[in-house]
Amino acid sequence: DIVMTQTPLSLSVTPGQPASISCKSSERLLQSDGKTHLHWYLEKAGQPPQLLIYEVSNRFPGVPDRFSGSGSGTDFTLKISRVEADDAGIYYCMQSLKIPPAFGQGTKVEIK
Amino acid sequence: QVRLLQSGAEVKEPGSSVRVSCKVSGDNLSIFAISWVRRAPGQGLEWMGGVNPVFGTATYAQRFQGRVAITADKSTTTAYMELNSLTSEDTAVYYCAREIAIETSMVPFGHWGQGTLVTVSS
Repeated sequence: DIVMTQTPLSLSVTPGQPASISCKSSERLLQSDGKTHLHWYLEKAGQPPQLLIYEVSNRFPGVPDRFSGSGSGTDFTLKISRVEADDAGIYYCMQSLKIPPAFGQGTKVEIK
Repeated sequence: QVRLLQSGAEVKEPGSSVRVSCKVSGDNLSIFAISWVRRAPGQGLEWMGGVNPVFGTATYAQRFQGRVAITADKSTTTAYMELNSLTSEDTAVYYCAREIAIETSMVPFGHWGQGTLVTVSS
């Protein structure tokens, strides 16, 4: 099975400051169709997870442009350019190239 | 607008079974795969398995194989997850999640149910 590893596991950020989360996969996530099956989700307290970024760098409709994703191969990054209070929660990367789909451990983001 | 509406919270005794439903509205259940993902206290998200309503076939995470059954009823646009031989470690919030079509991509877990808390306790 593909293993996803996130760092850091927790982050405390001042509003207006940037934040960055790293995600590494144990295998390359590039499919033969040219798409890379790495996605990012945010789980806010008391809410179901929500899709933020799909296929490395595509923002899901409605997601603010302060969120961006990048990376290739086995190394990926989620960046928040200017953190807001509403960004608090647990961020997960996930691979869907192979079954079983696998999430990273999650990164808890706290707003100071 | 696509909505996934799950059944309510459950309290179960160890050794029993639980069945959680996920009613899909606003779209065609027949086309998109539905998965079940759980979140145990202090743990991260964990994929349990999924069903392809087109073929009626289900795929399961190895650790749940033999203990979980995921089905979809196209006539009622409802998916189900049944978990057997419950232990306290199965106490978790269970989510159904459906893939979403965005341009030429089928993206997993674009729509989520609200979650169902299952508590296993004697």
